[in-house]
Amino acid sequence: GENVEQHPSTLSVQEGDSAVIKCTYSDSASNYFPWYKQELGKRPQLIIDIRSNVGEKKDQRIAVTLNKTAKHFSLHITETQPEDSAVYFCAATTSGGYQKVTFGTGTKLQVIP
Amino acid sequence: SQTIHQWPATLVQPVGSPLSLECTVEGTSNPNLYWYRQAAGRGLQLLFYSVGIGQISSEVPQNLSASRPQDRQFILSSKKLLLSDSGFYLCAWSGQGGAYEQYFGPGTRLTVT
Repeated sequence: GENVEQHPSTLSVQEGDSAVIKCTYSDSASNYFPWYKQELGKRPQLIIDIRSNVGEKKDQRIAVTLNKTAKHFSLHITETQPEDSAVYFCAATTSGGYQKVTFGTGTKLQVIP
Repeated sequence: SQTIHQWPATLVQPVGSPLSLECTVEGTSNPNLYWYRQAAGRGLQLLFYSVGIGQISSEVPQNLSASRPQDRQFILSSKKLLLSDSGFYLCAWSGQGGAYEQYFGPGTRLTVT
């Protein structure tokens, strides 16, 4: 089955700096890669996603890159703000009768004012 | 627009007691439905998924069961809770076919004492 590794497990940055979270996956059949943000005690919220036919996608301060050959993808947050502090999960999805989503173990991001 | 509900929001139950958690989705038809569990400070573990009424698949062996009596209703049950069943239970839905995005409900925080 699919295996998703996520690094780092914790990340502290100064407000205004950039943050990068990296994930690798094992199953070449995975074709959709979402990123979720989870604030303490809340549900995971989809913040950005990328499909396997795209190399990069950007939405304001966040961007995701995908390297299918190397089987890795990354989340980039620029100009970080305290409200970016949360746990971020990457995931790899294979499609079929249903969307089987395998999540990474999460990165706790702390933005220091 | 689509909305996903879960109840109860929090639950404290003694070991050996039964469990019933409910999830309903509004604004869509024939969704794929999922139950996840998240232990404190950990990632997301897929427990069950369903592609239609009465169709349930289990990802991990456990003392939990799931049912889908109606198209947009998903129920997680147990006859006898264990201490290890404590956690944050999240229901999620996605569309059929090429719709990959998965959206989470607000969750139920279960404490087994």
